[in-house]
Amino acid sequence: AAGVIQSPRHLIKEKRETATLKCYPIPRHDTVYWYQQGPGQDPQFLISFYEKMQSDKGSIPDRFSAQQFSDYHSELNMSSLELGDSALYFCASSPEGDSYEQYFGPGTRLTVT
Amino acid sequence: AQSVTQLGSHVSVSEGALVLLRCNYSSSVPPYLFWYVQYPNQGLQLLLKYTSAATLVKGINGFEAEFKKSETSFHLTKPSAHMSDAAEYFCVVSDTREYGNKLVFGAGTILRVKS
Repeated sequence: AAGVIQSPRHLIKEKRETATLKCYPIPRHDTVYWYQQGPGQDPQFLISFYEKMQSDKGSIPDRFSAQQFSDYHSELNMSSLELGDSALYFCASSPEGDSYEQYFGPGTRLTVT
Repeated sequence: AQSVTQLGSHVSVSEGALVLLRCNYSSSVPPYLFWYVQYPNQGLQLLLKYTSAATLVKGINGFEAEFKKSETSFHLTKPSAHMSDAAEYFCVVSDTREYGNKLVFGAGTILRVKS
């Protein structure tokens, strides 16, 4: 069965650089979520999109932005990267009518040096 | 706002012993509850979910959890631990909002299985 695809899987950036993380949801899933998991931490909700509109916003820094495109894939853009942005970034998707269950991708590990 | 508390950041059991990971929730509405597992350097895998149907929920890999409203608990159990169960387990509650229900994670419990 198709799963959530995230790219890249690993990314190394320097401070003050920008990064773009991509997420491709499971086919026919219309809702996408982004979570950040710092070292030794539990995942924290960043932002979500339903039908290409932002549906909820969590603890996402102003330096970050995201959007969902017409093909339902989503991109998380991160600017002015800081050391503290080093984390595992998960994307999850859920199908229409069953937004309580979220299917997670493998994550993108971002390292800021 | 919904929240979950996992009791014990680390649990150690012997292979073949009962696994019990504790979770209590706080919710102003009937909750949707989940257990996710994360193996080292891997993503999050859904073990099981409670969505107001049967209170005893069976999941993958022999795990089950029981929703107890009177105790506001959703403990995860497995009768006999395997070495392959060593991982981090997250109790999760769904924040019931329209058009996208964010998940609120507990702090996680690392399960160690001794041979």
